[in-house]
Amino acid sequence: KAGVTQTPRYLIKTRGQQVTLSCSPISGHRSVSWYQQTPGQGLQFLFEYFSETQRNKGNFPGRFSGRQFSNSRSEMNVSTLELGDSALYLCASTQGSEGGYTFGSGTRLTVV
Amino acid sequence: GQQVMQIPQYQHVQEGEDFTTYCNSSTTLSNIQWYKQRPGGHPVFLIQLVKSGEVKKQKRLTFQFGEAKKNSSLHITATQTTDVGTYFCAARSGAGSYQLTFGKGTKLSVIP
Repeated sequence: KAGVTQTPRYLIKTRGQQVTLSCSPISGHRSVSWYQQTPGQGLQFLFEYFSETQRNKGNFPGRFSGRQFSNSRSEMNVSTLELGDSALYLCASTQGSEGGYTFGSGTRLTVV
Repeated sequence: GQQVMQIPQYQHVQEGEDFTTYCNSSTTLSNIQWYKQRPGGHPVFLIQLVKSGEVKKQKRLTFQFGEAKKNSSLHITATQTTDVGTYFCAARSGAGSYQLTFGKGTKLSVIP
C-alpha cells in the first residue's frame, strides 16, 4: 500500500511569507500528526488531527495551524515565517491509539 | 509535559562492536516506541514495548522495557554499516494518547 505522502519535498520562502504543507496519510489511517525536526530541538510535536478535529496541540505559537479534510488528508500552515522556522516538517499517520506511526519523507522548509 | 531523556547523544563504534542506547523517563510510561532515521531520511517505526520487563528481538536488535516502565534500551549486536542512523525512543503522553514525545535520539556512526 502507498505510504504517507508529503508535498512539496523542498521549499524556500522569504521571511514574512506564509506556507502551506500537505500530507496524505496511509489509506485507512485517520490520525495524522505533524512534527518539526531541527538539529537543535529534535522532533517536536506540532498537532494531531482525527476525523477533521484537532485533538492535541504542541507548544508552538499560533502562527502554526493545521486542518484535516474528510478524506483524512491534512495541511499545515505557517504564517509570517521566521528564520527559525527553517526545519524538516514531518507528517505521520497511524491507524489507532496503539501501535507505531508511519512517517512521510517530510518537507524541508528553508526560510531566507 | 512528559519528557524522555535519551543517552548517549552520539556513539561511534567500530564495525562488529555492540551498541546500546538508553531512554529514561521520570514518570511511568504506558508504552515506548523505537524509531530509526537514516541520514537524509525520515523516522521508521521499529517496535513498540508495552509490558513491564518486556524484551523483544529483531535479528541483531534487542529492545527492553524496564520493570518500572520508566526506562528502555535498544541494543545492537555486532554493528554493521547499515545500522548507521539516529535511533529515537518515543512515548505516548498517556494510554490511548495520540501525542508522541520523542527523545533527542542517539546518532550512531559505524567505522568500517
